[in-house]
Amino acid sequence: GENVEQHPSTLSVQEGDSAVIKCTYSDSASNYFPWYKQELGKRPQLIIDIRSNVGEKKDQRIAVTLNKTAKHFSLHITETQPEDSAVYFCAASLPNYGQNFVFGPGTRLSVLP
Amino acid sequence: DVKVTQSSRYLVKRTGEKVFLECVQDMDHENMFWYRQDPGLGLRLIYFSYDVKMKEKGDIPEGYSVSREKKERFSLILESASTNQTSMYLCASSLQGTEQFFGPGTRLTVL
Repeated sequence: GENVEQHPSTLSVQEGDSAVIKCTYSDSASNYFPWYKQELGKRPQLIIDIRSNVGEKKDQRIAVTLNKTAKHFSLHITETQPEDSAVYFCAASLPNYGQNFVFGPGTRLSVLP
Repeated sequence: DVKVTQSSRYLVKRTGEKVFLECVQDMDHENMFWYRQDPGLGLRLIYFSYDVKMKEKGDIPEGYSVSREKKERFSLILESASTNQTSMYLCASSLQGTEQFFGPGTRLTVL
């Protein structure tokens, strides 16, 4: 079945710097890749997603890139701010159950003032 | 806005008790999910349902069961709670092929 790996598990950056989180997946038939942000004590919320027919997607300071050949996708946050501090989860859809996702283990991002 | 609610934010139960966790969504989503979240392990799928009275096992169904009698409601049942079921439980719902919306979570402690 699908397996999603995520690196790094923790990441500290200075405010204003960029942050990059990388994920790999195993099943080439996966076609939807969402990213969720979970602030302390809150529920995970979708921040950006990408489908397999697109290589890159941007929304203000966040962007996601997808390399289908290498089966990896990355989250890029530019000009980081303290409110970006959270746990970020990547996920890949399951080919046979398109509504189901396999989540990565998460990355704890700390933005230092 | 999609709203997914869970019956309790915090719950403390004793080993061997039967535990019910309830999830309700108000956006007519056909798909509903139960996950448990543990540090370093991400979100692991326990059970999911894509229609009323339908249920499918996820990755870690052992020790759990579910019920979906109405489209908006998905219940997770721990028949006999054990200490290794102490965790954060998250419910989610979605339309086919779209993002999942999560509830606020229930932190369950089994003593």
